[in-house]
Amino acid sequence: QQQVKQSPQSLIVQKGGISIINCAYENTAFDYFPWYQQFPGKGPALLIAIRPDVSEKKEGRFTISFNKSAKQFSLHIMDSQPGDSATYFCAASPTFIDRGSTLGRLYFGRGTQLTVWP
Amino acid sequence: NAGVTQTPKFRVLKTGQSMTLLCAQDMNHEYMYWYRQDPGMGLRLIHYSVGEGTTAKGEVPDGYNVSRLKKQNFLLGLESAAPSQTSVYFCASSYGAGGSYEQYFGPGTRLTVT
Repeated sequence: QQQVKQSPQSLIVQKGGISIINCAYENTAFDYFPWYQQFPGKGPALLIAIRPDVSEKKEGRFTISFNKSAKQFSLHIMDSQPGDSATYFCAASPTFIDRGSTLGRLYFGRGTQLTVWP
Repeated sequence: NAGVTQTPKFRVLKTGQSMTLLCAQDMNHEYMYWYRQDPGMGLRLIHYSVGEGTTAKGEVPDGYNVSRLKKQNFLLGLESAAPSQTSVYFCASSYGAGGSYEQYFGPGTRLTVT
């Protein structure tokens, strides 16, 4: 059972355009929602994260929008650049951890491959 | 400060062979993880460790074993490799587990089983 559903699987955007990637979850225990960025041949790296007590978080050209009632969150990349071409993973995690269980783990979406054309 | 390193970077195995992937971190993190990444499947947790001498199963543990004899090292073993284990393997570490603790990933090991 997939805990976090991510769409689209791939996305092609023109330079300067807006890239939007969507994620949805069911588990109401999730209260931390990070996005990871992965360049070809590299490991994923944390890009931006949000908690459900706010509806939006912005860092530079990257914005997370969060809809708690719909259990959905999305990543918006404004003024997309060729250097943003990468695979993006959304994830979710509960804050509460139970040592010795997987309750504290990150559940990843399946990823979105973003290509920004110059 | 090297962060998370993985050895080897590439490996080709024949079915039935065994191997060990090494992960090392120099950030004094308690938690370490092994993931596999397959096209269209995202990152799936194989095993993880909440501290030296401890290990636990993740989402897809079958066919793998792990050991955490030293805090800075986390080993992933394949006792009898199968073609289904062809994948890219990532190690990660974090200061704590659960929400708000960033996971730091290594560069990955690309494994092909023929």
